[in-house]
Amino acid sequence: NAGVTQTPKFQVLKTGQSMTLQCAQDMNHEYMSWYRQDPGMGLRLIHYSVGAGITDQGEVPNGYNVSRSTTEDFPLRLLSAAPSQTSVYFCASSFDRAQGPLHFGNGTRLTVT
Amino acid sequence: GENVEQHPSTLSVQEGDSAVIKCTYSDSASNYFPWYKQELGKRPQLIIDIRSNVGEKKDQRIAVTLNKTAKHFSLHITETQPEDSAVYFCASNTGFQKLVFGTGTRLLVSP
Repeated sequence: NAGVTQTPKFQVLKTGQSMTLQCAQDMNHEYMSWYRQDPGMGLRLIHYSVGAGITDQGEVPNGYNVSRSTTEDFPLRLLSAAPSQTSVYFCASSFDRAQGPLHFGNGTRLTVT
Repeated sequence: GENVEQHPSTLSVQEGDSAVIKCTYSDSASNYFPWYKQELGKRPQLIIDIRSNVGEKKDQRIAVTLNKTAKHFSLHITETQPEDSAVYFCASNTGFQKLVFGTGTRLLVSP
């Protein structure tokens, strides 16, 4: 199993550009989530999904969109990037929603200039 | 929403000493409390977790204790080694669908 795969590993955007961070898992996990990690602020939940066709907001959803058309994929979209979105983004999945271990991807380091 | 506070933000110990990291949570309905270790440039990885029906759990040199009445839980690492140096995050769930993390503790173990 590859586990949770995130692409790209690094990305530089200009303010106002859009992009999609990809996340795929091959563990048949129903629960998937996106976090951003900023220095001194830990991991903050952006959006999560408890299954295909179902998504919901986390702690910091503004400026981000998600969709879940399949169990395997959970892309994160930035519609108009802002410097405040410079961060490391982690996708994670779990077999047991938020009541079991999260399996993290390797992260995407995004810089918005 | 759920709030998780973690202390201290940095912790320096000598090799062989014990290290303790503490977290408090606000949602009395939380029932799952994991701890993650993140090495520099790597992804967070689960090292131990505890559920609300258990007061303590051990795994070799690592233990976690939970006090539901006081809404706090702690990570204990005994006989620390240089390879224990990393950032440690606590977390608790809210509404069974959201896992909220603390702000992290940077542990430095000096030889």
